[in-house]
Amino acid sequence: AQSVTQLGSHVSVSEGALVLLRCNYSSSVPPYLFWYVQYPNQGLQLLLKYTTGATLVKGINGFEAEFKKSETSFHLTKPSAHMSDAAEYFCAVSVRGSQGNLIFGKGTKLSVKP
Amino acid sequence: GAGVSQSPSNKVTEKGKDVELRCDPISGHTALYWYRQSLGQGLEFLIYFQGNSAPDKSGLPSDRFSAERTGGSVSTLTIQRTQQEDSAVYLCASSLLPVWGTNEKLFFGSGTQLSVL
Repeated sequence: AQSVTQLGSHVSVSEGALVLLRCNYSSSVPPYLFWYVQYPNQGLQLLLKYTTGATLVKGINGFEAEFKKSETSFHLTKPSAHMSDAAEYFCAVSVRGSQGNLIFGKGTKLSVKP
Repeated sequence: GAGVSQSPSNKVTEKGKDVELRCDPISGHTALYWYRQSLGQGLEFLIYFQGNSAPDKSGLPSDRFSAERTGGSVSTLTIQRTQQEDSAVYLCASSLLPVWGTNEKLFFGSGTQLSVL
């Protein structure tokens, strides 16, 4: 069965600094990988996803993630943090053949300091 | 409807009582998911419905939890003999097709906050 591990339940960065949120997956077959974001008092929304093709995926609000099969990773990055990026970020994995089931990690709460 | 609708938005119940949580997915969406969100546990998968296929119930934490989806639309999550550890936000999500589709994504409801006293 597939699973997702997010390293660090809480990450704090300064405004303008690099954001790096780590995600590693476990899957016996090629995965489909996702990042969802939950802003305070809002519902979850899709940030970006990798299905096939280019391994570097660009999402909304300047975020991007790179699928690295050799490292079983799908880390989320943003070159320069903004105060509005403060939110909880969830990595998720789905595998064709699992009927499309989507398994989430435990989430990483990002704080941005002025 | 315009989005995924969940009811009630808040539910307070006494330990040992049964509760039913309702989810109205976006019309036409074939995939429907239930998740539980609690502090420190992130988004815990509960159950997944896809079209007419047998649901994936692998995430249900105990036999006190069950869910059904009638007519491929509305879904009800039932928790019997509630316990205090069941307190959490229960989220429902739907998508038109399985999420590996290029343009597919989950649409989440606002959730039901369940408090078991």
